[in-house]
Amino acid sequence: SQTIHQWPATLVQPVGSPLSLECTVEGTSNPNLYWYRQAAGRGLQLLFYSVGIGQISSEVPQNLSASRPQDRQFILSSKKLLLSDSGFYLCAWSRGRETQYFGPGTRLLVL
Amino acid sequence: AQTVTQSQPEMSVQEAETVTLSCTYDTSESDYYLFWYKQPPSRQMILVIRQEAYKQQNATENRFSVNFQKAAKSFSLKISDSQLGDAAMYFCAYRSAPGSGTYKYIFGTGTRLKVLA
Repeated sequence: SQTIHQWPATLVQPVGSPLSLECTVEGTSNPNLYWYRQAAGRGLQLLFYSVGIGQISSEVPQNLSASRPQDRQFILSSKKLLLSDSGFYLCAWSRGRETQYFGPGTRLLVL
Repeated sequence: AQTVTQSQPEMSVQEAETVTLSCTYDTSESDYYLFWYKQPPSRQMILVIRQEAYKQQNATENRFSVNFQKAAKSFSLKISDSQLGDAAMYFCAYRSAPGSGTYKYIFGTGTRLKVLA
């Protein structure tokens, strides 16, 4: 069966520091991968999605970037965090006609 | 562009009663998929139910069922025999069919469901 992992689960970072969030999927190949951000009590904002290695589509211009170095690995990065980057980050995967499945998420607090 | 609207920010239901959450969407496509996700306090997004637009029969998963009205572009979720564990934020989502050229899922803003003991 398929499993999606995210780490870290929680992260507290100072403003201006770099960021790296990792997401990996097991049990499937060539998945579509997604990064979402969710503010407290709000809906999901799509940040990036990828349909293959090295293929990244950006939905929201900001100081975040994404990379897909391997088929089942998706990384969200920033060179300098802003206070507004605080939130709950969700990674998800889908394949073909299948449903989108989500990871457990990362809580990021920028101080 | 497709849009998904959840007009009920918050709903309450008495334990063991039935509640219906509303979702409407706008699209010019004829083939697509619709989903309901549940997000409990842990914030893990959990699939509740899914509906393919080409299927006329409404999807059902145990106590959860949908009322899919394609012409009206409506996709409501009915929860029967509500339990305390059903308390969560519920999101409606839309996905274009494969081959459409888009891989995005469009989410509504969510409905917070409270279950009263």
